[in-house]
Amino acid sequence: EIVLTQSPGTLSLSPGERATLSCRASQSISSIYLAWYQQKPGQAPRLLIYGASSRATGIPHRFSGSGSGTDFTLTISRLEPADFAVYYCQQYGSSPPTFGPGTTVDIK
Amino acid sequence: QVQLVQSGAEVKKPGSSVKVSCKASGGTFRNYAISWVRQAPGQGLEWMGGIIPIFDKSNYAQKFQGRVTITADTSTSTTYMELSSLRSEDTAVYYCARGEYCISGVCYPRLLNWFDPWGQGTLVTVSS
Repeated sequence: EIVLTQSPGTLSLSPGERATLSCRASQSISSIYLAWYQQKPGQAPRLLIYGASSRATGIPHRFSGSGSGTDFTLTISRLEPADFAVYYCQQYGSSPPTFGPGTTVDIK
Repeated sequence: QVQLVQSGAEVKKPGSSVKVSCKASGGTFRNYAISWVRQAPGQGLEWMGGIIPIFDKSNYAQKFQGRVTITADTSTSTTYMELSSLRSEDTAVYYCARGEYCISGVCYPRLLNWFDPWGQGTLVTVSS
């Protein structure tokens, strides 16, 4: 199965700053098969990005995704208070679908 | 708007089984694949398996083969996940989530897909 690693484990930033989150796959996956989710404590994950760069319905433009092959990035252009959460990447190009371990974005 | 509503929290003894339900409302159930993903306390997300209800076709992660059974009732738009031989390590929140792929206005169920939306989660606690 494809193993995803995410870095950093924790990102400490202030509101208004730019966040750059990395997701690396153990083998190449087509860029159309990579998604990003946001999860807040006590809540289910929420889809942010699919197909590596397509925003899900209702997701603000400050969230963007990029990358290809084995290296993918989620960027939050200017952090708002609601953005402090855990972010997971997921690949769905190869069965079983797998998730990265997550990056926590917390308030500095 | 599609909503997935799951059954309530469960407390089970080691060695027993648990069955969690996930009812879909809104949208077109026949276009959905439903996956089950679990999250142990303080841990990440783990795909267990899923089903395409209109084909009654299920697929399971190797880790859970023989211990998990996912079924669906199309008449009630409900999917079920049953996990047997429970052990303490199975204590987790269990989520159902939809896999649907749309292109040119036509939608298809797909297990290998992004997941959206998710159910609210069901906490299963395994304790003696």
